[in-house]
Amino acid sequence: AQSVAQPEDQVNVAEGNPLTVKCTYSVSGNPYLFWYVQYPNRGLQFLLKYITGDNLVKGSYGFEAEFNKSQTSFHLKKPSALVSDSALYFCAVRGTMDSSYKLIFGSGTRLLVRP
Amino acid sequence: NAGVTQTPKFQVLKTGQSMTLQCAQDMNHEYMSWYRQDPGMGLRLIHYSVGAGITDQGEVPNGYNVSRSTTEDFPLRLLSAAPSQTSVYFCASRQGLAGAYEQYFGPGTRLTVT
Repeated sequence: AQSVAQPEDQVNVAEGNPLTVKCTYSVSGNPYLFWYVQYPNRGLQFLLKYITGDNLVKGSYGFEAEFNKSQTSFHLKKPSALVSDSALYFCAVRGTMDSSYKLIFGSGTRLLVRP
Repeated sequence: NAGVTQTPKFQVLKTGQSMTLQCAQDMNHEYMSWYRQDPGMGLRLIHYSVGAGITDQGEVPNGYNVSRSTTEDFPLRLLSAAPSQTSVYFCASRQGLAGAYEQYFGPGTRLTVT
């Protein structure tokens, strides 16, 4: 069965500092991995995805994510955090061989960037 | 394109009442799904559809029914609402099934069951 773990309920960082939001996954075979962001009272917005190839994926708003197959991780990163990055972040996974095509989400990590 | 639309935005039900949450997309997407979002639980998949006439259960299907008579619409029915169904419900769609297509989400429906 597919699963995603986001071990931190909340991440606090000062504006201008680098940020990391952690994600680990479990699938049979290779994964498709995604990061989504949710602003208050809004739906989820796509940030970036990993399909294959380069382990460092760049996405919207200056975010990037690093895929590590041996550690089954896909951590979200940004070199310099902004107050406007404060939101709820979700990691999601789907196995490339999964015939149900289901996308499974983690429990979410709240990012708080203080001025 | 309007993208993924959901109605209503808010709803309050009494225990035992029934209702239908509407979801529509105008992107000709094959795959549609319903999630519920609860604090600390993330998004949990309720039902999904891989095309018109084809639906299947997700992680938490009990108490919910779906149908997909057209590509565009994917309504979620609560037959007899329970307080445990108090949640925020999101509909999502994506272009294809097997590729790494990103999902597009609607704005959500906030449901309270008293």
